[in-house]
Amino acid sequence: NAGVTQTPKFQVLKTGQSMTLQCAQDMNHNSMYWYRQDPGMGLRLIYYSASEGTTDKGEVPNGYNVSRLNKREFSLRLESAAPSQTSVYFCASSPTWGSNQPQHFGDGTRLSIL
Amino acid sequence: QKEVEQNSGPLSVPEGAIASLNCTYSDRGSQSFFWYRQYSGKSPELIMFIYSNGDKEDGRFTAQLNKASQYVSLLIRDSQPSDSATYLCAVSFDRGSTLGRLYFGRGTQLTVWP
Repeated sequence: NAGVTQTPKFQVLKTGQSMTLQCAQDMNHNSMYWYRQDPGMGLRLIYYSASEGTTDKGEVPNGYNVSRLNKREFSLRLESAAPSQTSVYFCASSPTWGSNQPQHFGDGTRLSIL
Repeated sequence: QKEVEQNSGPLSVPEGAIASLNCTYSDRGSQSFFWYRQYSGKSPELIMFIYSNGDKEDGRFTAQLNKASQYVSLLIRDSQPSDSATYLCAVSFDRGSTLGRLYFGRGTQLTVWP
């Protein structure tokens, strides 16, 4: 099983460019998440989708949009990239929504904004 | 504000020793607790989760939870150089608008030297 697959793995953008990060899971999970990880800041939740058809803001949603395309896929879009969005982005999924659900992570996308 | 605190380390132990990693959290509504291991440049990998007070053992790993004192710890017995990584503590809550979200500490860097 591939688990959670993220594309691309690396990307360099110029300020103001747009981009969509793709995430797909093959574990038949209902809930999916997007995090960013910055040095010294830990993982912070950007957006999440508790189930197909729903999305909600997390801790740091400004500058991002998401789409839950179907049960498998959850994409993250940067409409106008800014240097402050340079980070490592992780997608995660869990079987369902709830406090006792462990989340499983993809390999990440390393994004640099120049 | 929900806070999860970890000593950033680095924690350095010799091979074969017990490594003790600690995590405190601010919200008494916390219900579920997760430990992730993250190798440099890699994604977080779930090691253990614990929901009830007391100890939970899985191989060389033991998670300890004390809800009254609001801390959770991870013990690694017979530490190996391959255990060298950053360990992330994550806490989830079971009520209100934060239901299902994971809040991560900034991680403790562990080095196991031969």
